[in-house]
Amino acid sequence: DTAVSQTPKYLVTQMGNDKSIKCEQNLGHDTMYWYKQDSKKFLKIMFSYNNKELIINETVPNRFSPKSPDKAHLNLHINSLELGDSAVYFCASSHTAGPYGYTFGSGTRLTVV
Amino acid sequence: QQQVKQSPQSLIVQKGGISIINCAYENTAFDYFPWYQQFPGKGPALLIAIRPDVSEKKEGRFTISFNKSAKQFSLHIMDSQPGDSATYFCAASLISGGYQKVTFGTGTKLQVIP
Repeated sequence: DTAVSQTPKYLVTQMGNDKSIKCEQNLGHDTMYWYKQDSKKFLKIMFSYNNKELIINETVPNRFSPKSPDKAHLNLHINSLELGDSAVYFCASSHTAGPYGYTFGSGTRLTVV
Repeated sequence: QQQVKQSPQSLIVQKGGISIINCAYENTAFDYFPWYQQFPGKGPALLIAIRPDVSEKKEGRFTISFNKSAKQFSLHIMDSQPGDSATYFCAASLISGGYQKVTFGTGTKLQVIP
């Protein structure tokens, strides 16, 4: 059983399109995150949700909109995709009452052409 | 104050050698220091972690050394193996507003050559 699963694993799309990435965790964690990893491998937090409530919203273009239907799912919708959005996007989860390590998904490689 | 500085950016070690990756932080409110290991095409995976009330933690060939007064911590990989070749991230976290906030280092790409 995969603990944190993301779909799709690869996403190639044209500029201007809208796309979504889905994430699900079966660990019973109550906090979920979206991270962006650029070509230099730097991990940048984008959003964090706790029990469906947004708790971290870093400086991210409002073309990115997260949605958490329940505490086991966190999706990321991206409107009007730009070349600079090309990166690997990771979903992660953890218990809220830390400190605890994060469990990451295997990532979604987004390529905008 | 939220930065975690990691060095070196890349590291080449011979099989059987010791790999050492260093991190430094500024914010004394950090209270948990994990290390993550990332293989190509995979997400980062928690490797080992330490709290600031201990100076060393060892798990198999992996050891964290922690120097609270210097605000530095390091990962030592003993008897490095080609299978250890990966990118390693240090991190530091604190509880803010009831939630855990994690700051990652910039990563170290380790290559262990046979």
